[in-house]
Amino acid sequence: DSGVTQTPKHLITATGQRVTLRCSPRSGDLSVYWYQQSLDQGLQFLIQYYNGEERAKGNILERFSAQQFPDLHSELNLSSLELGDSALYFCASSVLSGTYNEQFFGPGTRLTVL
Amino acid sequence: GQQLNQSPQSMFIQEGEDVSMNCTSSSIFNTWLWYKQDPGEGPVLLIALYKAGELTSNGRLTAQFGITRKDSFLNISASIPSDVGIYFCAGQRTGNQFYFGTGTSLTVIP
Repeated sequence: DSGVTQTPKHLITATGQRVTLRCSPRSGDLSVYWYQQSLDQGLQFLIQYYNGEERAKGNILERFSAQQFPDLHSELNLSSLELGDSALYFCASSVLSGTYNEQFFGPGTRLTVL
Repeated sequence: GQQLNQSPQSMFIQEGEDVSMNCTSSSIFNTWLWYKQDPGEGPVLLIALYKAGELTSNGRLTAQFGITRKDSFLNISASIPSDVGIYFCAGQRTGNQFYFGTGTSLTVIP
């Protein structure tokens, strides 16, 4: 158990809908990362937050948005969903201070768009 | 975004054999991490490296941080069936995002 929690574990929805994925980082970690992993693909970095502020942006679509709240949990919002958005979505967290910046992953949310 | 070049893409080996995989980049990193991912699960951190030249072991796993800071390798000795999975490398520059390799899929034949 990495200490990173993600909910829900599975999500099935229809095209055009909007969903919210939730992530709680490990205790003490200030930075949260979101990744998308499609079938048999690598990890595609979407976005990073550090202590509530956006820190880096990757291949995140305009239909997707995220935020990190004062209690450091984060939400990833996916709207106008398309079939191609079906994937595993992972959240990871890291301390991001000092030398030791290991990144720990949650168990993921499997999104299926029908 | 930037990705690290990881090789080989896949490996099929006999149980008991040693495995070697590596990761290269055109950029310098301050941290190298190696992860293992089982199907449908989140990647699990295996080894973290913080200094150029550093050699670190975790059981049958050994990883090294390349002296140029642009590469890293992971060795698995005496492979067993539960080593099956996808192995990812990741590099980080201070304070910034992690960049991931494309993954090495390992199959161990009993």
